Amino acid sequence: DAGVIQSPRHEVTEMGQEVTLRCKPISGHDYLFWYRQTMMRGLELLIYFNNNVPIDDSGMPEDRFSAKMPNASFSTLKIQPSEPRDSAVYFCASSLTGSNQPQHFGDGTRLSIL
Amino acid sequence: KQEVTQIPAALSVPEGENLVLNCSFTDSAIYNLQWFRQDPGKGLTSLLLIQSSQREQTSGRLNASLDKSSGRSTLYIAASQPGDSATYLCAVRSGGSNYKLTFGKGTLLTVNP
Repeated sequence: DAGVIQSPRHEVTEMGQEVTLRCKPISGHDYLFWYRQTMMRGLELLIYFNNNVPIDDSGMPEDRFSAKMPNASFSTLKIQPSEPRDSAVYFCASSLTGSNQPQHFGDGTRLSIL
Repeated sequence: KQEVTQIPAALSVPEGENLVLNCSFTDSAIYNLQWFRQDPGKGLTSLLLIQSSQREQTSGRLNASLDKSSGRSTLYIAASQPGDSATYLCAVRSGGSNYKLTFGKGTLLTVNP
């Protein structure tokens, strides 16, 4: 079974550029989560979707961040314009509905904004 | 606002030792608690999930306990091995209808051969 797939694995870009991170959840999973991990703040939830609909975006830091899920097998997280403080590892996770269903994580995208 | 704390931040033990990792949370009205493992450069792998109505869960050499009233969970690792070296994170889901997880900052475990 393929796990959660994220691309790219690494991204280095200059401040002010648009960055797009991509995620393919596990087939059949109806929840999708975007997280950001930094040394200072640890792992934080940015936004999550249920059946392609955004449910909680209270963790999205600013209007520069946006996320979409056009279909059940694809989601994007976009940062425009990017800033050096956006440098972090961004994780995507997916899960099934249910109280005993764990979240399954991708390997992350390591983003560096110069 | 839920806050999750993990102590210690780092732990180094010799191979074969039994060890306990601690997790505490400020709001005891939780739905479930999960323990994850994170290897360097990798995503998180779910180890154990304890529902709020449960006291413990076991998987192989791992045992996780939950004391909701005191806001604490422990992860017990028996007969530790060098392959157990990783960062262990605890996460709490607070609401039944809300799938948001609040994470601790993790405990970095090193098992020395």
